[in-house]
Amino acid sequence: AQSVTQPDIHITVSEGASLELRCNYSYGATPYLFWYVQSPGQGLQLLLKYFSGDTLVQGIKGFEAEFKRSQSSFNLRKPSVHWSDAAEYFCAVATDYSGGGADGLTFGKGTHLIIQP
Amino acid sequence: NAGVTQTPKFQVLKTGQSMTLQCAQDMNHEYMSWYRQDPGMGLRLIHYSVGAGITDQGEVPNGYNVSRSTTEDFPLRLLSAAPSQTSVYFCASSYSPGGSTGELFFGEGSRLTVL
Repeated sequence: AQSVTQPDIHITVSEGASLELRCNYSYGATPYLFWYVQSPGQGLQLLLKYFSGDTLVQGIKGFEAEFKRSQSSFNLRKPSVHWSDAAEYFCAVATDYSGGGADGLTFGKGTHLIIQP
Repeated sequence: NAGVTQTPKFQVLKTGQSMTLQCAQDMNHEYMSWYRQDPGMGLRLIHYSVGAGITDQGEVPNGYNVSRSTTEDFPLRLLSAAPSQTSVYFCASSYSPGGSTGELFFGEGSRLTVL
């Protein structure tokens, strides 16, 4: 069964510093991978996605992620964080529930990002 | 555009009561889904639909019913609420026929408390 592990429950970063959020997945074939962000009291918004091709994908808000098959990882990075980046971040992998192809997402438990001034 | 609209935003139920969480989208998306979010658990898929008249179960379907009579609406029904169903519920839709291979658009959530 597919699974996603986000090892860090909380991460604190100073404003202007670089950021890396870790994500490891378990999936037999080539995965479809996603990063979503959730601001307090809001729904989730897609930051970026990986389906195939270039292993370094660019997203919105200056985020990028790198797919590493050998490490089963899809880590999210940002070179310089802003106070507005404080939020909950979720990694997800497309999942086959019906046996007919990917039809839902399996999410990690999330990483809470705190930005220090 | 309204996007994905969920109602109500907050609800308190007593054990054994029934209720329906409403979800409507105005993007003409074929794929719609319901997730629940619990502290430290991330989001888990309850039910999903790939089009009107078609529904299927996700990871945690027990205690919930769904139907999809129109493209726009995908209500989630709790027939006999239990305290274990206290959670925040999110409806999400997508243009992609496969649902998970495209961007999911989420509603703002419905916070349900079962006493």
